[in-house]
Amino acid sequence: EAGVAQSPRYKIIEKRQSVAFWCNPISGHATLYWYQQILGQGPKLLIQFQNNGVVDDSQLPKDRFSAERLKGVDSTLKIQPAKLEDSAVYLCASSLGLAGRGETQYFGPGTRLLVL
Amino acid sequence: SQQGEEDPQALSIQEGENATMNCSYKTSINNLQWYRQNSGRGLVHLILIRSNEREKHSGRLRVTLDTSKKSSSLLITASRAADTASYFCATDEVGYQKVTFGIGTKLQVIP
Repeated sequence: EAGVAQSPRYKIIEKRQSVAFWCNPISGHATLYWYQQILGQGPKLLIQFQNNGVVDDSQLPKDRFSAERLKGVDSTLKIQPAKLEDSAVYLCASSLGLAGRGETQYFGPGTRLLVL
Repeated sequence: SQQGEEDPQALSIQEGENATMNCSYKTSINNLQWYRQNSGRGLVHLILIRSNEREKHSGRLRVTLDTSKKSSSLLITASRAADTASYFCATDEVGYQKVTFGIGTKLQVIP
């Protein structure tokens, strides 16, 4: 079974530039998550999709971050404009069902973003 | 915000020793999970314990849950160098359809 795919693996940009990350979840997984993990901390949920609908985006900085999951499969996360504090690893995960019901989440390798 | 708080934040042991990590949380939960993250990689699910369970085993892993104290512990027995990683607890809070991760324990197993 193929795992969660993410690209790019690394990205370096200057502040105020824009950047986009792509995620392809495990086939058949209805729920997709984007997490931000700052160095030395645990993953922080940014947004959670169930199929192509948003379940939770309470911690997504909506003035600069946006995400979509067209057709309920692949997803993109965009930052525009980027700030220095956005430097982090962005993790995508997927699960068969909704979190909160003991679902196992399967994580991709992450995209490491450095904002200069 | 992060609900779980792991303790200790860093742990260094010799190969063959046991490693114990603790997780405390603040609100009522449905389930608690433990994940491992090797350096530079994504997280891998280790084990889940439900709120009505007190102890669970999986291979060299033993997890306990005390809902009255809002705490859980992860024990890795007979540790190996390959166990070197960060370990995170993740809680399914009652009334929410999302999982909240703790800050993690960084374990180093010295060969």
